[in-house]
Amino acid sequence: DTGVSQNPRHKITKRGQNVTFRCDPISEHNRLYWYRQTLGQGPEFLTYFQNEAQLEKSRLLSDRFSAERPKGSFSTLEIQRTEQGDSAMYLCASSLALNTGELFFGEGSRLTVL
Amino acid sequence: GQNIDQPTEMTATEGAIVQINCTYQTSGFNGLFWYQQHAGEAPTFLSYNVLDGLEEKGRFSSFLSRSKGYSYLLLKELQMKDSASYLCAQLTGGGNKLTFGTGTQLKVEL
Repeated sequence: DTGVSQNPRHKITKRGQNVTFRCDPISEHNRLYWYRQTLGQGPEFLTYFQNEAQLEKSRLLSDRFSAERPKGSFSTLEIQRTEQGDSAMYLCASSLALNTGELFFGEGSRLTVL
Repeated sequence: GQNIDQPTEMTATEGAIVQINCTYQTSGFNGLFWYQQHAGEAPTFLSYNVLDGLEEKGRFSSFLSRSKGYSYLLLKELQMKDSASYLCAQLTGGGNKLTFGTGTQLKVEL
């Protein structure tokens, strides 16, 4: 396993369109996280899964955002009716328990909304 | 990271030592992480502190004081490749998620 992989790496879309990002975590990791990062800022928590259960969702996440992890392996993050303010790097990360190990990040999916 | 405070930028000289400070909210503390992030790349893990004291790992060391809500990352023998953003992150949510600071952009000069 080479680590956390995300695709697409880059996505340019027009305002109002829907986009979907995929994340494949490290295979033995039961926890999967989505973060958003804009220039000059740290990663901002969006949501996380333990196996297939979505255990927490940030209040920053509007109803236009939805994430799934149907079989407890890969995850998708969908943004509906994109807005220019959604332009950011969307980072996926996976881990075992954080109090015994670290969070491993993917390279991210960069979204540009025109 | 609304409860995590770290300087926005620092500049240091190649070969020198630099200390990057971080303060965080002490309530619900479960641990403190430091990550390095080069421009356009994913954050990578540097250190994890849960008990008071200094953890040394090669050129990088991290210190924690739980009573003061304070941590620092110490980088020795700076190299040009150490130019990056250094992210302080607190383990929150009952130990289930990391909340990041805004990062300290370190520039290493000749």
